[in-house]
Amino acid sequence: GAVVSQHPSWVICKSGTSVKIECRSLDFQATTMFWYRQFPKQSLMLMATSNEGSKATYEQGVEKDKFLINHASLTLSTLTVTSAHPEDSSFYICSAIRASGGRKLTDTQYFGPGTRLTVL
Amino acid sequence: KQEVTQIPAALSVPEGENLVLNCSFTDSAIYNLQWFRQDPGKGLTSLLLIQSSQREQTSGRLNASLDKSSGRSTLYIAASQPGDSATYLCAGGTGANNLFFGTGTRLTVIP
Repeated sequence: GAVVSQHPSWVICKSGTSVKIECRSLDFQATTMFWYRQFPKQSLMLMATSNEGSKATYEQGVEKDKFLINHASLTLSTLTVTSAHPEDSSFYICSAIRASGGRKLTDTQYFGPGTRLTVL
Repeated sequence: KQEVTQIPAALSVPEGENLVLNCSFTDSAIYNLQWFRQDPGKGLTSLLLIQSSQREQTSGRLNASLDKSSGRSTLYIAASQPGDSATYLCAGGTGANNLFFGTGTRLTVIP
């Protein structure tokens, strides 16, 4: 168990358009999901923490109005890149923590396969 | 802020060799240390998770150690195989389940 999926796996869009990326926990409920961004040959950088039923918490330097996060259910979180520009081209990866009646600091994060975004 | 460094950045070894990947972190107040594998253009596969109270974890040919006091972790791969070729990332888990990732070591095992 503990499978996380992302859709789409890759997307190409024109500059100025918005793109939505879905992150789903397939066989467990996730009260918390994380969104990471990975530029070529760099490591993953945490963008935001998404909690079901509440507003996301964004890391310093990440524009909350540009990267809209919605965690409407215990199995789905979405990241919308609004008015995308070429510099937003990156690999976006989500992860999820299994809901266990109280979040522990040692909870394991299960990662999705990632979404490759290319903005022309 | 937690900073995680991995050395070397790239490593090539002949098949069958044993190897060690290094990971160092600046803040010893971590809750866990995790090693991942990432294939080109793919997501992450968790290999080993060491809780802060543990010293090491083993899975098959992989062994990971954690020394919080010195801020170091190592991933030992025994009898390397071409299929082990990938980028290996370590990540320190801090408060609120944040994971701080290292820059990775790109491993190539030559047949």
